[in-house]
Amino acid sequence: DGGITQSPKYLFRKEGQNVTLSCEQNLNHDAMYWYRQDPGQGLRLIYYSQIVNDFQKGDIAEGYSVSREKKESFPLTVTSAQKNPTAFYLCASSLGGPNEKLFFGSGTQLSVL
Amino acid sequence: AQTVTQSQPEMSVQEAETVTLSCTYDTSESDYYLFWYKQPPSRQMILVIRQEAYKQQNATENRFSVNFQKAAKSFSLKISDSQLGDAAMYFCAYRTANSGYALNFGKGTSLLVTP
Repeated sequence: DGGITQSPKYLFRKEGQNVTLSCEQNLNHDAMYWYRQDPGQGLRLIYYSQIVNDFQKGDIAEGYSVSREKKESFPLTVTSAQKNPTAFYLCASSLGGPNEKLFFGSGTQLSVL
Repeated sequence: AQTVTQSQPEMSVQEAETVTLSCTYDTSESDYYLFWYKQPPSRQMILVIRQEAYKQQNATENRFSVNFQKAAKSFSLKISDSQLGDAAMYFCAYRTANSGYALNFGKGTSLLVTP
């Protein structure tokens, strides 16, 4: 079945530690996105990529990094510079056109130990 | 700044009744697309309905319909014959060519459906 997979479902980070959230899609989508969701808040854009080997900062990119070495994969690293990393992280992908549906993964809940 | 405002943090509706969720947006782009997403307790994002801004006709999907007022930049969602399974967070969003056609979301409205 085609879809978008995020792992792990739950992740814990220690102080000063970098952690990486995985996002893989087999939908042959060009565009991929990372969002952060805090309680009572909408989704906020962290990074996006429209094509392999290219990505752009979203509204809240500070403390995060990404790579797009393969079309299928768009991992997000939460660095130690992100002082408030506890949140629900959602990855999405689409064919890239304005009316194309975004497909979302099931999310990763990141918490700080 | 481009924003989406959902002025109702929480709404409640009785089963089988109709409820309308409000949304206003602000974009300087002339070409954009509007969406409503549902997020149940599982936190999976589910597309409910979408509207092309260049279309005057309001979109409908079964029990879900929108009232799109372009001049007022308003995009409300009407849920008819509400069901218990409609209980969820509802997010209004739009897309433009900015940010690689990423979705810009409002803060959401929590919908409670009572028997």
